[in-house]
Amino acid sequence: QVQLVQSGAEVKKPGASVKVSCRASGYTFTNYYLHWVRQAPGQGLEWMGMINSGGGSTTYTQEFRGRVTMTRDTSTSTVYMELSSLRSEDTALYYCARENGRSGSYYFDYWGQGTLVTVSS
Amino acid sequence: DIQMTQSPSSLSASVGDRVTITCRASQSITSYLSWYQQKPGKAPELLIYAASTLQRGVPSRFSGTGSGTDFTLTISSLQPEDFATYYCQQTYSTPRTFGQGTKVEIK
Repeated sequence: QVQLVQSGAEVKKPGASVKVSCRASGYTFTNYYLHWVRQAPGQGLEWMGMINSGGGSTTYTQEFRGRVTMTRDTSTSTVYMELSSLRSEDTALYYCARENGRSGSYYFDYWGQGTLVTVSS
Repeated sequence: DIQMTQSPSSLSASVGDRVTITCRASQSITSYLSWYQQKPGKAPELLIYAASTLQRGVPSRFSGTGSGTDFTLTISSLQPEDFATYYCQQTYSTPRTFGQGTKVEIK
């Protein structure tokens, strides 16, 4: 069965970087894009960007461009999201999600369990 | 960027009620529209994709309609397990924007 398993919670100081992992299993890793979505406490879902797990190309939303880097390791079927220059507003749950495409549309059919990143001095 | 606007932001309803949530895109997204359900402390779960296709395993009381810019999610008979927050998302282009969410609460 398809699973996305994320790394554990992190506590970071302002200005530091964090790297969150998402290990995929149960499907052909290189055939799908993986996306990162974050959710601040009590807030809605915010799309951060995506990575082509096969070719490694990335697309980031403007808000995070320059601070976020998404990479993948095909040998371990793992994608990584690194966010730098952390500030308190980056405190959030970070999710990875697999994008599928069928019926002429795209959708996020599997999600990781979420990784809580807390930024505090 | 395509903006997604959901309404209402929250609603109170009783078990058995028919509930409708609307989602409007700032430009045409044809049928590149998905709906997700999120319960507290859990990751979102896919309910509907391609505007109207029910994800495998999702109860048939959920349905979706619309194309272009206007979409609706309907729960035909609200059940206790349906109290949650619902999000629409467009996948027509990047960034893959979400609506702000609709919280469905118990009346």
